[in-house]
Amino acid sequence: AQSVTQLDSHVSVSEGTPVLLRCNYSSSYSPSLFWYVQHPNKGLQLLLKYTSAATLVKGINGFEAEFKKSETSFHLTKPSAHMSDAAEYFCVVSDLSEGNKLVFGAGTILRVKS
Amino acid sequence: DAGVTQSPTHLIKTRGQQVTLRCSPKSGHDTVSWYQQALGQGPQFIFQYYEEEERQRGNFPDRFSGHQFPNYSSELNVNALLLGDSALYLCASSSAVLRNTGELFFGEGSRLTVL
Repeated sequence: AQSVTQLDSHVSVSEGTPVLLRCNYSSSYSPSLFWYVQHPNKGLQLLLKYTSAATLVKGINGFEAEFKKSETSFHLTKPSAHMSDAAEYFCVVSDLSEGNKLVFGAGTILRVKS
Repeated sequence: DAGVTQSPTHLIKTRGQQVTLRCSPKSGHDTVSWYQQALGQGPQFIFQYYEEEERQRGNFPDRFSGHQFPNYSSELNVNALLLGDSALYLCASSSAVLRNTGELFFGEGSRLTVL
């Protein structure tokens, strides 16, 4: 069975400082991994995805994530936080042979202080 | 271009009642998935529909059922509501091309409260 563990339920950063949201995955085969973002009263939006191509994946709004098989990690980073980045972020794993059945982590709420 | 639309946005039911939630997929999409997001948790997969048939199902009881119509819109029905069914119900759509890519387009959800 696949699963993801988001290591922090809440992260607080100051505007202009780096963001690091941590995610570890468990999968018996080469996984497909994603980060989705959920702004208040908005639908979930795909931020970026890894599907066994380049291990460093760039997404929207300056976010990127690095797939590290040896550490079973897929951490999300951004060099400089913006107030508009405040949202809940979900790390997601999927066996794409089963269609689009996604397995979500519990989420990390990112707070950006001015 | 309308995205994924869901109705109603909020509703309150009592235990034992039945509820129907509705979803219209993004234009050009033919596949609809439903997810349940309990408070403080990540979304959990309920089931997926395309070509008017349930194609995959998550670990949810038979009280949860669905339907897809010829225009690709979908309904989620929950019978014999329990307090634990209180959650945000999310609909997500994709196209045949996107079906196996993990790229889903989500609606804003229907928030169900069971009293």
